[in-house]
Amino acid sequence: DAKTTQPNSMESNEEEPVHLPCNHSTISGTDYIHWYRQLPSQGPEYVIHGLTSNVNNRMASLAIAEDRKSSTLILHRATLRDAAVYYCILGRFLNNAGNMLTFGGGTRLMVKP
Amino acid sequence: NAGVTQTPKFRVLKTGQSMTLLCAQDMNHEYMYWYRQDPGMGLRLIHYSVGEGTTAKGEVPDGYNVSRLKKQNFLLGLESAAPSQTSVYFCASSYLGILYEQYFGPGTRLTVT
Repeated sequence: DAKTTQPNSMESNEEEPVHLPCNHSTISGTDYIHWYRQLPSQGPEYVIHGLTSNVNNRMASLAIAEDRKSSTLILHRATLRDAAVYYCILGRFLNNAGNMLTFGGGTRLMVKP
Repeated sequence: NAGVTQTPKFRVLKTGQSMTLLCAQDMNHEYMYWYRQDPGMGLRLIHYSVGEGTTAKGEVPDGYNVSRLKKQNFLLGLESAAPSQTSVYFCASSYLGILYEQYFGPGTRLTVT
């Protein structure tokens, strides 16, 4: 199964942009890149996902390398509420049905006021 | 619109006891999932369902059973609890497969002594 590699932790200052990297060198052509985050004592929350092109939504931007072996989640202006564990996940079909997300260790983002 | 709810929120079991965790969603989603999260780790998929009356094994299914008798409910059963099943259990649902985000419940913290 394709795996992702993320730094264990990162720090950011409030109101500054944050770039969270993810390596997925064994990604296959049908793997989507998903990002979820988990705030303390809560269930994970969807952030963004993409296949090949860069993606933007109200929460973040996802920049995908041309060879798809790496990607970067961009939070344009970090707030204290963005302090969470961020998971980069490769999602793949389960026998043409379902959506298996294999969570790794994630990156713990700390935001300083 | 409650989203995904889980019952109970906390439970303590003795080794060998049985219990059922209930997950309910009110978003008319086809797919539902059960994950477990051990301390300091990412989530691992236990079982999943792609529709009413169907279930399938995930990454760590041993010691668990599931049922999806109604579209909105997904039950996770532990027939004979073991200390190794001490974990936080998350349920999730999604409209369809890989292109759709998963919505997670708040989790059930289970301790087996």
